[in-house]
Amino acid sequence: QKEVEQNSGPLSVPEGAIASLNCTYSDRGSQSFFWYRQYSGKSPELIMSIYSNGDKEDGRFTAQLNKASQYVSLLIRDSQPSDSATYLCAVPFLDSNYQLIWGAGTKLIIKP
Amino acid sequence: DGGITQSPKYLFRKEGQNVTLSCEQNLNHDAMYWYRQDPGQGLRLIYYSQIVNDFQKGDIAEGYSVSREKKESFPLTVTSAQKNPTAFYLCASSYVHQETQYFGPGTRLLVL
Repeated sequence: QKEVEQNSGPLSVPEGAIASLNCTYSDRGSQSFFWYRQYSGKSPELIMSIYSNGDKEDGRFTAQLNKASQYVSLLIRDSQPSDSATYLCAVPFLDSNYQLIWGAGTKLIIKP
Repeated sequence: DGGITQSPKYLFRKEGQNVTLSCEQNLNHDAMYWYRQDPGQGLRLIYYSQIVNDFQKGDIAEGYSVSREKKESFPLTVTSAQKNPTAFYLCASSYVHQETQYFGPGTRLLVL
């Protein structure tokens, strides 16, 4: 069964703190992982992609991947009110011709 | 300016009516996708196309049809067989299948 799991939230974080978003996936053969941000009523936009175990940093965002645990996370440092959105995790599944399977998303609220 | 356009932004369907959603991209991407998003759920794949004149069904293709006569265009028809069409419809494209997908602004379909 194709599964990408995320905590639906909402996750409430004070402004300036670190927000931690988590995602688990069921396909051990997956090789690439994507984080998208979606503001209410808008389409998803790519935040980060990660392909190798470990950390990948881009500005205030850090993606962390652990393939052995089938776990990928997104950290947002110095959280801003403009980071308030739903964050979607997407993973291409080998047994579905690499079709992207999407988590339901975690709603993040940054409190000023 | 390169990007993906979708029209209309809002679409109203009457019972028994077929409606067509437009998706155009000028990114020179080979692959194009149609997703459906319902409140609180992840994106679900309706159809995708990797090259012109070829397309494959996704997980929820019943009640929908597509065509890919030009590289730039991938219209989606919601037929009268789709009994619960109210949703947010998202078109995406990528250079090749498996790579990062970029989204259009979406079409919100409502039933009268």
